Amino acid sequence: SQKIEQNSEALNIQEGKTATLTCNYTNYSPAYLQWYRQDPGRGPVFLLLIRENEKEKRKERLKVTFDTTLKQSLFHITASQPADSATYLCAVPFSGGYNKLIFGAGTRLAVHP
Amino acid sequence: DARVTQTPRDKVTEMGQEVTMRCQPILGHNTVFWYRQTMMQGLELLAYFRNRAPLDDSGMPKDRFSAEMPDATLATLKIQPSEPRDSAVYFCASGTTSGSEEQFFGPGTRLTVL
Repeated sequence: SQKIEQNSEALNIQEGKTATLTCNYTNYSPAYLQWYRQDPGRGPVFLLLIRENEKEKRKERLKVTFDTTLKQSLFHITASQPADSATYLCAVPFSGGYNKLIFGAGTRLAVHP
Repeated sequence: DARVTQTPRDKVTEMGQEVTMRCQPILGHNTVFWYRQTMMQGLELLAYFRNRAPLDDSGMPKDRFSAEMPDATLATLKIQPSEPRDSAVYFCASGTTSGSEEQFFGPGTRLTVL
């Protein structure tokens, strides 16, 4: 079965630097991969989706890459700000479709002034 | 500003009691998901509905959990009887099968079973 692995240790970085978070999957290559942001006490919020035929996707200060050979996605936040501090979850669909998602455990990002 | 709503936001109950959580998906969305989030297990899918029909509830303990969609504006998740190990945050999310695959999450119901 598919497993999603994200770094369980918190990532601490200085404001203005680029944060890079990693998401690895273990089994089949998913048709797409999604990234969500979750703040304490709130539900996850969708950020970006990248499809298997796309190498890179950008949205403002966010960039996502998808390497099907490495079975890995990288999520970058450039010029990070303290307001970017949150937990970031990656998710891939179950095989067989239906839009059901398997989520990773998430990586907590702390951006310090 | 369309959003998924969930009630109650917090629920404290005693072991053995019935718990009902409610979700109103975004109008026009035809898929509804129930998730449970704990520190140990992360976000786990419990049930999935498409066009109000239950397509998958393999993530739910069948003996005590049940999920229904009485109509397009209401999804319910019931636990009977509740147990301390059910303590978690339960999220409802909705989406569509046409267009984007993103899911829109509600604020969650924090359940504590004593």
